[in-house]
Amino acid sequence: QVQLVESGGGVVQPGRSLRLSCAASGFTFSSYGMHWVRQAPGKGLEWVAVIWYDGSNKYYADSVKGRFTISRDNSKNTLYLQMNSLRAEDTAVYYCARDYGVGARAKGFFDIWGQGTMVTVSS
Amino acid sequence: EIVLTQSPGTLSLSPGERATLSCRASQSVSSSYLAWYQQKPGQAPRLLIYGASSRATGIPDRFSGSGSGTDFTLTISRLEPEDFAVYYCQQYGSSPTLTFGGGTKVEIK
Repeated sequence: QVQLVESGGGVVQPGRSLRLSCAASGFTFSSYGMHWVRQAPGKGLEWVAVIWYDGSNKYYADSVKGRFTISRDNSKNTLYLQMNSLRAEDTAVYYCARDYGVGARAKGFFDIWGQGTMVTVSS
Repeated sequence: EIVLTQSPGTLSLSPGERATLSCRASQSVSSSYLAWYQQKPGQAPRLLIYGASSRATGIPDRFSGSGSGTDFTLTISRLEPEDFAVYYCQQYGSSPTLTFGGGTKVEIK
């Protein structure tokens, strides 16, 4: 079945780095734009970044621009989020999510979500 | 950036009652590019509505969305026990920058 499985979360000190992965299965990964969305403990949802189906375009929320990098490997059906210079306010569950649209017709909303991976930034 | 404000923060209702949730945008959402999600504790969000009023695959018809411009509404016609959750609106009219509302919790009265 269609599935997204995140991994790579954990506890990290402020200023350090972490890389999250999201393994996709059950659909043609290379046809869909992919997003990262996060949720701080007890808080609402915050969009983090998007990468187009072919990796040609990437966009970020202002809160992570210059520190986080989204990437994908379509040969491995895997999405990544490289997080550098981590701050306490980056503490959250990080979800990967599939864009509803196919190919260049990315829509900007999310029809499939992973179960999330927790990132805690603390000394 | 388009800011979405959801109200009320919490809605206390009984099963069988009608729920009306509001999402107001700080500026007009182009082409009614607004989605609604449901999130239960410990779970990922689930897409309910997109394009302001189109139900996602498998979503029961007791869920309906309406609105345009800056004012949008999610209505649950008769609350089932499994509908008690937090609901978020999200705009994608200013894509690629996407924003969510702060959420409305629908709790059992």
